[in-house]
Amino acid sequence: QKEVEQDPGPLSVPEGAIVSLNCTYSNSAFQYFMWYRQYSRKGPELLMYTYSSGNKEDGRFTAQVDKSSKYISLFIRDSQPSDSATYLCAMRAGTGRRALTFGSGTRLQVQP
Amino acid sequence: GAVVSQHPSWVICKSGTSVKIECRSLDFQATTMFWYRQFPKQSLMLMATSNEGSKATYEQGVEKDKFLINHASLTLSTLTVTSAHPEDSSFYICSASAGQGAGNYGYTFGSGTRLTVV
Repeated sequence: QKEVEQDPGPLSVPEGAIVSLNCTYSNSAFQYFMWYRQYSRKGPELLMYTYSSGNKEDGRFTAQVDKSSKYISLFIRDSQPSDSATYLCAMRAGTGRRALTFGSGTRLQVQP
Repeated sequence: GAVVSQHPSWVICKSGTSVKIECRSLDFQATTMFWYRQFPKQSLMLMATSNEGSKATYEQGVEKDKFLINHASLTLSTLTVTSAHPEDSSFYICSASAGQGAGNYGYTFGSGTRLTVV
């Protein structure tokens, strides 16, 4: 079983829709949670970063972390065709190993 | 914001030759650099972690003699794929960290290098 599970999609939505992306994890030591966006043949770009449980909002993006359920989410409001990309969740422990563990990524296609 | 420059962005080499990929932190000192490999439509797989001035720590299954990592300064790390074979063809991405206290700020990724071995 992978430490981080993420539905690979693809997920296709119409422009303006609310998108929900999710990851589950098994390692209770994970404390830092991130969402990255990756366009084809490019490096990942950080979208959201949260520490421990709770919600964080930044513009059209909202990240949620539920540590009790080992479940994290990213919501995208008013989705745009330019949001079409692969979204990767990533996480790491608070101490010790500092490398990120990534989900497999979800491909999102926003149709105009 | 933090910027990591990775070069080359793509390279084609003949089987048996070596290829060097550079990763530079342009506006911060990278105490730790991470090298990842990504196959098409798959996630990033960590290859190794390197701290400035120390030997790299390789993940299980990654051949350290084949993937040579040098992190001689706080702004530069290199990955050399030695005696490349077609199965080494992949997308290689570096990530630089400014340090433990920086939280996630330091996890800046390069733009990646697409290696094709023919």
